[in-house]
Amino acid sequence: DTAVSQTPKYLVTQMGNDKSIKCEQNLGHDTMYWYKQDSKKFLKIMFSYNNKELIINETVPNRFSPKSPDKAHLNLHINSLELGDSAVYFCASSLSRGQDIQYFGAGTRLSVL
Amino acid sequence: GDSVTQMEGPVTLSEEAFLTINCTYTATGYPSLFWYVQYPGEGLQLLLKATKADDKGSNKGFEATYRKETTSFHLEKGSVQVSDSAVYFCALVYTGGFKTIFGAGTRLFVKA
Repeated sequence: DTAVSQTPKYLVTQMGNDKSIKCEQNLGHDTMYWYKQDSKKFLKIMFSYNNKELIINETVPNRFSPKSPDKAHLNLHINSLELGDSAVYFCASSLSRGQDIQYFGAGTRLSVL
Repeated sequence: GDSVTQMEGPVTLSEEAFLTINCTYTATGYPSLFWYVQYPGEGLQLLLKATKADDKGSNKGFEATYRKETTSFHLEKGSVQVSDSAVYFCALVYTGGFKTIFGAGTRLFVKA
């Protein structure tokens, strides 16, 4: 059983479209995260939820909206996709916030054409 | 603010060579320090961690020691293998803190 699973693994779409990425963790963790990794492998935190409550909201365009229906799920919806959104998006979870190991999903490679 | 600085890659080594990847940090308090590894096409996974000064983390032949006096957490391995080719991330986090701060990553290539 995969601990942190993301779908889809690959997403190819046209500029201007709206898309969603789903994430689920079966570890019983309280905290979940979304990261964006660019082509140089730089990892940038986007959002974090702790028990369904938003606790980190970095400087990210309003076109990105996270949703956490329960503490095991954190989805990412992106409106009006732009070329610069092309990247690999990682979901992660940790037991609680701070000092804990983060467990990452395998990533979703988004390509905007 | 707090930050993590890693040596720039890529680092290219021959099999069985000695590996050092430098990591230094800036922190206002006493964070825990981590090394994560990302194999091609995969997400990051924890390699090792240290929670206080002078602690040594180790796993799969890799080691790193939390040095408060030099604010460093350098990753070392005595003899690398081709299968160690990956991107390595140094990171810090505070107890109860909101987020983990990652370095920029260092890509390692090991040639047979």
